[in-house]
Amino acid sequence: ETGVTQTPRHLVMGMTNKKSLKCEQHLGHNAMYWYKQSAKKPLELMFVYSLEERVENNSVPSRFSPECPNSSHLFLHLHTLQPEDSALYLCASSQTENTEAFFGQGTRLTVV
Amino acid sequence: GQNIDQPTEMTATEGAIVQINCTYQTSGFNGLFWYQQHAGEAPTFLSYNVLDGLEEKGRFSSFLSRSKGYSYLLLKELQMKDSASYLCAVRDSNYQLIWGAGTKLIIKP
Repeated sequence: ETGVTQTPRHLVMGMTNKKSLKCEQHLGHNAMYWYKQSAKKPLELMFVYSLEERVENNSVPSRFSPECPNSSHLFLHLHTLQPEDSALYLCASSQTENTEAFFGQGTRLTVV
Repeated sequence: GQNIDQPTEMTATEGAIVQINCTYQTSGFNGLFWYQQHAGEAPTFLSYNVLDGLEEKGRFSSFLSRSKGYSYLLLKELQMKDSASYLCAVRDSNYQLIWGAGTKLIIKP
């Protein structure tokens, strides 16, 4: 398996649920990212990890909690989300923070 | 504030040429990226410009003018499979990527 893999591809959750999104990269990259993509809006960078350390947290609400256990895996833990959090959540990786990013297919999240 | 502007939607004919423009105002500049995103799929990297001029890669070319804060993506010999959104992104002085909202390109037979 190559590239960046995200699971699940689709997720419907209630506002009181707790769920996790998973991302795995098989490219040997050192940096990993979580982005939020809403319709007709620019990609919003949520978190950046470089060498397993969080280097960026763009004022993301605490109901989103990232975890990077090693350089190949990235999780986004979700709890008590709001309907406006419904979006496509994209994971990406890059060799360093300065090189082009490779994206996963995304998780389409719907909060009901 | 930082801003990337690109047209929301464009339509072109199969076999023709289309130019998608991107203008930016950012705090510093450390490169500009173009990505292609088909509906329901991941964005895929197309091109990177850091110096002024034209970079050609097959049917796709990307141009940059840093003094004008301007770039374009040129697609030649359009094919139906080129129907997608095209995302422009600029890396600022802090090496943060600032993204445009994307241009949806519709190709008609």
